[in-house]
Amino acid sequence: ETGVTQSPTHLIKTRGQQVTLRCSSQSGHNTVSWYQQALGQGPQFIFQYYREEENGRGNFPPRFSGLQFPNYSSELNVNALELDDSALYLCASSLRQGANEQFFGPGTRLTVL
Amino acid sequence: GESVGLHLPTLSVQEGDNSIINCAYSNSASDYFIWYKQESGKGPQFIIDIRSNMDKRQGQRVTVLLNKTVKHLSLQIAATQPGDSAVYFCAEELSGGYNKLIFGAGTRLAVHP
Repeated sequence: ETGVTQSPTHLIKTRGQQVTLRCSSQSGHNTVSWYQQALGQGPQFIFQYYREEENGRGNFPPRFSGLQFPNYSSELNVNALELDDSALYLCASSLRQGANEQFFGPGTRLTVL
Repeated sequence: GESVGLHLPTLSVQEGDNSIINCAYSNSASDYFIWYKQESGKGPQFIIDIRSNMDKRQGQRVTVLLNKTVKHLSLQIAATQPGDSAVYFCAEELSGGYNKLIFGAGTRLAVHP
């Protein structure tokens, strides 16, 4: 069984640029959630995808968007990057919508200069 | 409002001692709670969970206690080992169509020989 994987591991961007982060869910999992973790803080829920549609969103602006593909992998896109977007971005997958346990990937460390 | 907080930001213990990490939550409608362990450079790792219809659950060397009356959650680690050194997060799950985890800021556990 393959765990949750994310790419890239690290990324450096400048203000105003756009970034795409990728996540492959754990084998058999059809639901993917994205979280932002600022340094020294707990993860904050961005949104969740199920059956290729966003079905829940946290308190993040529209410049944070995502996609889920038929193979359940997912992308997180952030436009017009701001310095405060610097964080660890975590992807978590779960077996199905409504399943409680979420399995996290190692994250992508994004630095915005 | 929605929040999950931790009483102690840092906990130092001697190897072999028992550790207790505490957490307060604010949403009485939450029905699922999880403890995660996060080591440096890694994503959160599931430790143990508990549903709101229980008040205690035991795993291997770990026990979670839930007190719904005062909205308090604790994680007990028996015979703490150096490998237990990490940041521990409690998370509260709000169900209802999708699963959104609300994390606290975390407690750093430092185990000394």
